[in-house]
Amino acid sequence: SQQGEEDPQALSIQEGENATMNCSYKTSINNLQWYRQNSGRGLVHLILIRSNEREKHSGRLRVTLDTSKKSSSLLITASRAADTASYFCATGNQAGTALIFGKGTTLSVSS
Amino acid sequence: EPEVTQTPSHQVTQMGQEVILRCVPISNHLYFYWYRQILGQKVEFLVSFYNNEISEKSEIFDDQFSVERPDGSNFTLKIRSTKLEDSAMYFCASGGDRGPNTEAFFGQGTRLTVV
Repeated sequence: SQQGEEDPQALSIQEGENATMNCSYKTSINNLQWYRQNSGRGLVHLILIRSNEREKHSGRLRVTLDTSKKSSSLLITASRAADTASYFCATGNQAGTALIFGKGTTLSVSS
Repeated sequence: EPEVTQTPSHQVTQMGQEVILRCVPISNHLYFYWYRQILGQKVEFLVSFYNNEISEKSEIFDDQFSVERPDGSNFTLKIRSTKLEDSAMYFCASGGDRGPNTEAFFGQGTRLTVV
């Protein structure tokens, strides 16, 4: 399957700490995307990293991609209570016709 | 800011009934998707739609499901004869001309409850 698999499944941290979530996938990719979902709401695109990129930043988000290990990580620095959500990685399928999501990491940030 | 809108936000239906979930994608987008999320579980791909036809569908998207873009703006998901296990959040999404190689914009979802 093309699906990414995130770990950990759940992560609880204190405000101000950094949160790191990992994603592994199985086949070659064109890009990898990270999305956020607040409870019961739609998914919001956070960042896209292309297969020829190794690292990308957006505000407090830092994404890395290691195509040799077929893995990516999402780092949220200086976390806030408002970062509490589920985070999903997503990759396109081999045919380039669908965006497939992993199982997600549920992040809880307590103040 | 353009957004994907879905209606209704919540639908309750009797088992065996047909339901139609409606979506208005972002106007200049070319790729359209439906996803399903059973409570507390992962976001499951159902179908992608491009150039007025299905470009990909998952094993979940069986003969009970169909999609349509009837008028150039709406994008609908029909479930012909609902089952209890169809209860879930259904999300519509749309993307630009690079499809899965660019970001997808999601609606807020329709919560379908089959009783």
